[in-house]
Amino acid sequence: AQSVAQPEDQVNVAEGNPLTVKCTYSVSGNPYLFWYVQYPNRGLQFLLKYITGDNLVKGSYGFEAEFNKSQTSFHLKKPSALVSDSALYFCAGISGGYQKVTFGIGTKLQVIP
Amino acid sequence: NAGVTQTPKFQVLKTGQSMTLQCAQDMNHEYMSWYRQDPGMGLRLIHYSVGAGITDQGEVPNGYNVSRSTTEDFPLRLLSAAPSQTSVYFCASSFEPPPSPQHFGDGTRLSIL
Repeated sequence: AQSVAQPEDQVNVAEGNPLTVKCTYSVSGNPYLFWYVQYPNRGLQFLLKYITGDNLVKGSYGFEAEFNKSQTSFHLKKPSALVSDSALYFCAGISGGYQKVTFGIGTKLQVIP
Repeated sequence: NAGVTQTPKFQVLKTGQSMTLQCAQDMNHEYMSWYRQDPGMGLRLIHYSVGAGITDQGEVPNGYNVSRSTTEDFPLRLLSAAPSQTSVYFCASSFEPPPSPQHFGDGTRLSIL
């Protein structure tokens, strides 16, 4: 079985502060992991992915994510939050060789001015 | 390029009616997929296709049919709508199957009365 979990329904952070959105995974084999962002009334947009290699992955809009195999985590981070980062963030994953993506339930990020 | 285009954007149906949700992409992507998004459940895969003439079931295929006669189009059919199918439906595409990042349409909001 493969799954990803986002333990926080909502994360609030002050503008300018660092942000972290958490994700843990449970997949068989080598994990392929993703982060997507969804703005209101829009489809999801790809931010970044981990396949192999460096544990720190850099993506769009200044976001990065850290893959931690021992903790089975793939947390999304940004050094300085912007109000425009307020959105719904989804962690997703697949097992190597499969063609199906499993999404987490999403975490709402609210950046407070 | 328009990307992934979904029509209609909104639709209200009565129980038992049928309808087709349209999805078209102009990026020559081979892989296309349909998801439904429900509160507290994230995105769940309904059906997917790895190329024209090839489709397969996802996590929640019951009540939905798909076909892929061309590379560009991947319609989703509800044969007999049920209130449980009230949801927001997203179509996505990618040049190759995951882990290639997917491009999402803006969704169809469907209400079944």
